[in-house]
This record gives sequence, structure tokens and C-alpha cells, in this order.
Amino acid sequence: TQLLEQSPQFLSIQEGENLTVYCNSSSVFSSLQWYRQEPGEGPVLLVTVVTGGEVKKLKRLTFQFGDARKDSSLHITAAQPGDTGLYLCAGGTRSNTGKLIFGQGTTLQVKP
Amino acid sequence: DAGITQSPRHKVTETGTPVTLRCHQTENHRYMYWYRQDPGHGLRLIHYSYGVKDTDKGEVSDGYSVSRSKTEDFLLTLESATSSQTSVYFCAISEPRGGGNEQYFGPGTRLTVT
Repeated sequence: TQLLEQSPQFLSIQEGENLTVYCNSSSVFSSLQWYRQEPGEGPVLLVTVVTGGEVKKLKRLTFQFGDARKDSSLHITAAQPGDTGLYLCAGGTRSNTGKLIFGQGTTLQVKP
Repeated sequence: DAGITQSPRHKVTETGTPVTLRCHQTENHRYMYWYRQDPGHGLRLIHYSYGVKDTDKGEVSDGYSVSRSKTEDFLLTLESATSSQTSVYFCAISEPRGGGNEQYFGPGTRLTVT
């Protein structure tokens, strides 16, 4: 069974601080997605990484896929209150069904 | 945003009653999924569909059934609701390509079983 472990589960920081969220597995994934979810809404796709070692930037967010495609990280620079939310990583399986394996999520609170 | 709607958005029902949740998409995506989201468990796959009348079980399928008679609609039925099925249910769609397995989610249905 493929599992994705996310850490930390909860993070409360002040505006302007930097943070990193980790997503780790012993399994290899064909792709890795990061989603952000706000209360009362569905998850929204932020980024997809598919190549080992790949780095993608989305404004103040930097996403990295591990060389072995078993882990990923999300780094936020100078966090803002608008970054508050639940961050989910999800690994793509090699099946042709499009199924994803989700981590447990990281709840981020950025205080003004 | 992907065109995905879920109905109802909120429902309260009694233990033992059947409940059907509906997911409707306007994107003509082949794959559709039902998840439940509970604190500490993230998103867990209940059932998924890879085409009209083609469905398969996910990791937490007991007590749930699904049907897909049209590309755009995917129904989730709780055959006899139990309190353990109180949760937030999300529908998702995807059209996998060579790059990644991106899924797009509906707004969710909050179900309370009393």
C-alpha cells in the first residue's frame, strides 16, 4: 500500500516568516500534486511535478520533487495571512485510472 | 475553474435511511471520484469511475455504492446511513494525460447522520 506522510500536521506562524511542508513516502510516484483547501471549499490544484528533481515556483511558493520521486516539499517565503489554509500533497499512481494517494494534510495559520 | 457541482451541499439524515449524493460535471472528463474527508485522515477514496457504467472500489467502499449512467453524472449512495458516515464528501474529476494525474474538485457535501 502506498502512503504519503505529511509534516508538520499543524503550523502557526507570524506574517513574514518562511516555512516548509514535507511530503514523504517509501514508494515511487509518477507525479506529485499540491493542493490548497480553504474552509467549506474543495481542494484547489496548485502545481504538478513529474520529473525527479523538478522545481516549480508559483509567486512566493516553491515546490520540489525529490530526485527519486518519493518525496516533495513546499516552501513558502514571507508568508501572508492569505496563505492560511489546508495544504495537501497527492501522489500519482502508475495505473491508468488517474488515482491519487493523498497525505493527511498540513493546516497552516498565518497570523497578521 | 472546472465545472463541477455537488448536490445537496448540506444534508442531515437519520441512521438507517438511504442517501444519494450527486456529482455533475460539464468538462466531459472521463474519470470521476468520490472521496470522504475526516479530521486526521485527509482525503480517502470511496469509489471511482473510469467511464460510463465502469466503476471500481476505493479504500473505504464498505456501505457505499455508486452509479454512472452518463458521462456527466456520478452518484454516491449510502445504502443505510450510519453515524460513522458523517463526513464531508468530495467529488473530483480528471482526464489523465502523460504528465500528471491532476484532479479537480467540487465544493463538497456536508453529511450528518443522527
